[in-house]
Amino acid sequence: AQSVTQLDSQVPVFEEAPVELRCNYSSSVSVYLFWYVQYPNQGLQLLLKYLSGSTLVKGINGFEAEFNKSQTSFHLRKPSVHISDTAEYFCAVTPQYNFNKFYFGSGTKLNVKP
Amino acid sequence: DVKVTQSSRYLVKRTGEKVFLECVQDMDHENMFWYRQDPGLGLRLIYFSYDVKMKEKGDIPEGYSVSREKKERFSLILESASTNQTSMYLCASSLSGTGEGNGYTFGSGTRLTVV
Repeated sequence: AQSVTQLDSQVPVFEEAPVELRCNYSSSVSVYLFWYVQYPNQGLQLLLKYLSGSTLVKGINGFEAEFNKSQTSFHLRKPSVHISDTAEYFCAVTPQYNFNKFYFGSGTKLNVKP
Repeated sequence: DVKVTQSSRYLVKRTGEKVFLECVQDMDHENMFWYRQDPGLGLRLIYFSYDVKMKEKGDIPEGYSVSREKKERFSLILESASTNQTSMYLCASSLSGTGEGNGYTFGSGTRLTVV
């Protein structure tokens, strides 16, 4: 079975500061990893995904994430956040043998303050 | 632009009512999913479907059923709504096939309140 842990339920940060949102996963099989973002009153949008290759992946809006297999982590980072980045962020994994079933973390609310 | 459309953004229903939540996608995706989203619990899978007239239970199917008569439409049914089903409901779709993970396309969600 797969599980995803997002340790921080809320992350407050000032505008233009860097941010890291943490994600750890547990799986007995190889997985694909994803980050989604949910703006207020909207559905989820794909930020980025790791399938294979370089462990550092870049997504939309200046976000990037690094896959660390030994630590089973996939932390999301942005060097300088904007007010418009205020949203909830979800980490998700899907087993490579059944890549259509996703397991989501509980979400991290990023609150960017002026 | 590809879309997953959920028919209602907000719904208020009474306890015991039969409730239908509709989801339509225009991407010719094989897979469709229903999740509910609750604070602190993230997204939990209710039901999913890999093909027309095919359905499988997710992690929390109790109190729900689904219908997929056409490829583009996936309906979630609350047979007798209860207050603990008050939640945000998200529909998603994805492509099938081998190879790389395709990710989901989500609808905007339906916020259901059962009173």
